Amino acid sequence: GAGVSQSPSNKVTEKGKDVELRCDPISGHTALYWYRQSLGQGLEFLIYFQGNSAPDKSGLPSDRFSAERTGGSVSTLTIQRTQQEDSAVYLCASSLAGRGSTDTQYFGPGTRLTVL
Amino acid sequence: GESVGLHLPTLSVQEGDNSIINCAYSNSASDYFIWYKQESGKGPQFIIDIRSNMDKRQGQRVTVLLNKTVKHLSLQIAATQPGDSAVYFCAENGNNQGGKLIFGQGTELSVKP
Repeated sequence: GAGVSQSPSNKVTEKGKDVELRCDPISGHTALYWYRQSLGQGLEFLIYFQGNSAPDKSGLPSDRFSAERTGGSVSTLTIQRTQQEDSAVYLCASSLAGRGSTDTQYFGPGTRLTVL
Repeated sequence: GESVGLHLPTLSVQEGDNSIINCAYSNSASDYFIWYKQESGKGPQFIIDIRSNMDKRQGQRVTVLLNKTVKHLSLQIAATQPGDSAVYFCAENGNNQGGKLIFGQGTELSVKP
């Protein structure tokens, strides 16, 4: 079946602009995660959605970052007033369940964001 | 703070040799560990996982070992192939951390033909 998809694959923007990154999880997966990966670094947790529960936003680096998940499926990560330090690969993952479970997280290909 | 780290940032091996990638974790409450492989320009790909009630788990050409006493995790790749060249990340799903994973910095594995 189809895996996690993300769009766009690449995004170049100017400092101060807003950007929206999209994630389509695997069908039937109730948990969705956003991570950020800076060049040559590991993945940094941003936000986590589990079913209808309130999202875990503990990893968002500032209030310029927000995310929504509509209808329990597609998610959008929005970065307002982008800064150069926001440049990174933004990865989305989904799993069957979450919240303390051990279900495997499957990752999408990521969106490479470059802020000029 | 909590972290998952790797002992070696780079590893170069000869094709056909076995590879061992190591990882140290700091959260003793972690009960689930995963190894991911990431090729250039791609998202992390699940390789193998292990729960804290086990100390060894084998897959196809890969074995994960867990030593809870010293909080150490390793990934062994048998008969390493050029296609194994990638960055390998260990991650923990620390207990009471919700669903999020805590990743290490990664080890780059380079396989020489």
